Amino acid sequence: QSVLTQPPSASGTPGQRVTISCSGSYSNIGSTNVNWYQQLPGTAPKLLIYSNDQRPSGVPDRFSGSKSGTSASLAISGLQSEDEADYYCAAWDDSLNGPVFGGGTKLTVL
Amino acid sequence: QVQLVQSGAEVKKPGASVKVSCKASGYSFAAYHMHWVRQAPGQGLEWMGWINPNSGVTNYAQKFQGRVTMTRDTSISTAYMEVSRVISDDTAVYYCARMVTTSTDRWFDPWGQGTLVTVSS
Repeated sequence: QSVLTQPPSASGTPGQRVTISCSGSYSNIGSTNVNWYQQLPGTAPKLLIYSNDQRPSGVPDRFSGSKSGTSASLAISGLQSEDEADYYCAAWDDSLNGPVFGGGTKLTVL
Repeated sequence: QVQLVQSGAEVKKPGASVKVSCKASGYSFAAYHMHWVRQAPGQGLEWMGWINPNSGVTNYAQKFQGRVTMTRDTSISTAYMEVSRVISDDTAVYYCARMVTTSTDRWFDPWGQGTLVTVSS
């Protein structure tokens, strides 16, 4: 049972826009910023979005993040086949003095 | 470039210990906390704890306290994570990840490539 709640799956067709939600509580998302990680099949997670809505260098602007209250969202526009991956949200939890993760969302490009 | 390179796959019998290494390059090793995260087959990410490479101070997730030990060797920019008394549920890919911290935020970047630990009799 993950601390942050994500839908287990999402899907879309090429070119479409999809969103993935992430729900938490005051002690994590409500108190700090949210990060998103992309895990392509068979590889290690990679930073996709940090500080709610910032993209690291090299991440296409098709990926965007937002946060409101105790929830966050990842949006992917212009969906491409190479976006097929697992996506994880994460936030720092002061009570744990460590991060908490969502359970992950498997994105399928139909 | 900033890089974390982990040790190779391990196969252990129940009750044994396993030690995974994570060699950092491309940045000041002592300046960033190193975290360990594991992923059981087909499952999500599970945070295990962190070590401050500068001081050696550690913080473990409650689930792993008493069974996990994180250490470091600053002379070779390498962090270690040891799990003792392994059981089948410890079968997972273990990742090290550097935590970038600002005045208001923190995130993992980069991650190591992962080390598969298989526990089997």
